[in-house]
Amino acid sequence: GQQVMQIPQYQHVQEGEDFTTYCNSSTTLSNIQWYKQRPGGHPVFLIQLVKSGEVKKQKRLTFQFGEAKKNSSLHITATQTTDVGTYFCAVLRIMDSNYQLIWGAGTKLIIKP
Amino acid sequence: NAGVTQTPKFQVLKTGQSMTLQCAQDMNHNSMYWYRQDPGMGLRLIYYSASEGTTDKGEVPNGYNVSRLNKREFSLRLESAAPSQTSVYFCASTSLRGETRAFFGQGTRLTVV
Repeated sequence: GQQVMQIPQYQHVQEGEDFTTYCNSSTTLSNIQWYKQRPGGHPVFLIQLVKSGEVKKQKRLTFQFGEAKKNSSLHITATQTTDVGTYFCAVLRIMDSNYQLIWGAGTKLIIKP
Repeated sequence: NAGVTQTPKFQVLKTGQSMTLQCAQDMNHNSMYWYRQDPGMGLRLIYYSASEGTTDKGEVPNGYNVSRLNKREFSLRLESAAPSQTSVYFCASTSLRGETRAFFGQGTRLTVV
């Protein structure tokens, strides 16, 4: 079945450094979603990308969808303590009117003390 | 708006005990899901319900049963709890129209001793 590989599993950064997480698929994706889960919290939707080559920004967060629609990235510029958490990508799969989200394993952003 | 409401928030069970996790959404969503998340891990789908009256197994259904009571409510039952079921459980729902983002409940932290 369709899988989404997300890397890295963890990223340790100094506050103020940048952070990037990547999601890759062997098949063409119709869309990709990104979620953030704060420590002890639940995943919260950030954004959805659907178009080839799409780039969207939310303040210091930049989301990209690859030209071939097989990969996506989330980049955070100048990380802050409020960015700490795990970032997940997810792909919507529709089969026989059933909707499933296929999840990446997540990338945990850790800010070094 | 309440969104997705899960109860209870915390639960400790003894091995062999049973319990039901409750989930309700007030967004008129058709699809609802149950996930488990183990420490440092991603989300694994237990069961989902594409619409009222239907349920399907996900990635890790063994040891669980579900009931889609009506459009709003989707419950998860552990008939005979095992320590391997110690986890955080999330209920989620998605719309079938427009941006099919997932909305999550706050989670149930279950410990089986």
